[in-house]
Amino acid sequence: ETGVTQTPRHLVMGMTNKKSLKCEQHLGHNAMYWYKQSAKKPLELMFVYNFKEQTENNSVPSRFSPECPNSSHLFLHLHTLQPEDSALYLCASSSLGGGDDNEQFFGPGTRLTVL
Amino acid sequence: SQQGEEDPQALSIQEGENATMNCSYKTSINNLQWYRQNSGRGLVHLILIRSNEREKHSGRLRVTLDTSKKSSSLLITASRAADTASYFCATGGIQGAQKLVFGQGTRLTINP
Repeated sequence: ETGVTQTPRHLVMGMTNKKSLKCEQHLGHNAMYWYKQSAKKPLELMFVYNFKEQTENNSVPSRFSPECPNSSHLFLHLHTLQPEDSALYLCASSSLGGGDDNEQFFGPGTRLTVL
Repeated sequence: SQQGEEDPQALSIQEGENATMNCSYKTSINNLQWYRQNSGRGLVHLILIRSNEREKHSGRLRVTLDTSKKSSSLLITASRAADTASYFCATGGIQGAQKLVFGQGTRLTINP
């Protein structure tokens, strides 16, 4: 148990549905991340939030909409997704300190299937 | 791109043997990290080595870093069945330490 939880663990949705993924960290961190992990591809960074402010959007399509209401919670709102968006979506958090080390703590992921 | 590339892509050994995985990257880094992922689960941080370090140990793990060759290796000694997982290297760049760039991973199988 890493202190980062994600819900739901599995999600099946149609291309016209709207759903949200939730992430919560209990580690007192101030940075949170969304990653996408597809089969046979490296882990892809999607978004970075520092102190609730988005600092990185890695050219992610607008059908993915992140929300960070506070340093402990992160959401990923999904709408009109495509089958190629099916993947494992991982949330992570880290502490922004004075150094450059950036050990990240990952949640268990949400396995998303788009039909 | 400073993407890390792991080698081999898959490794299968007998329990008790040592497992060595390699990672190469392309640009200057601030640190290099190794993570483990059990099937369909999140990643677990194993060890971090800074660019000014050459070797680091943690329990049965030994990591080396050669910045001149832009490469790192992860050695797991006395492997156990529970070590079966995918192992990823991730590089933290000097431009932005938060932007970890992950390799495609090595799938390690420990046979009992």
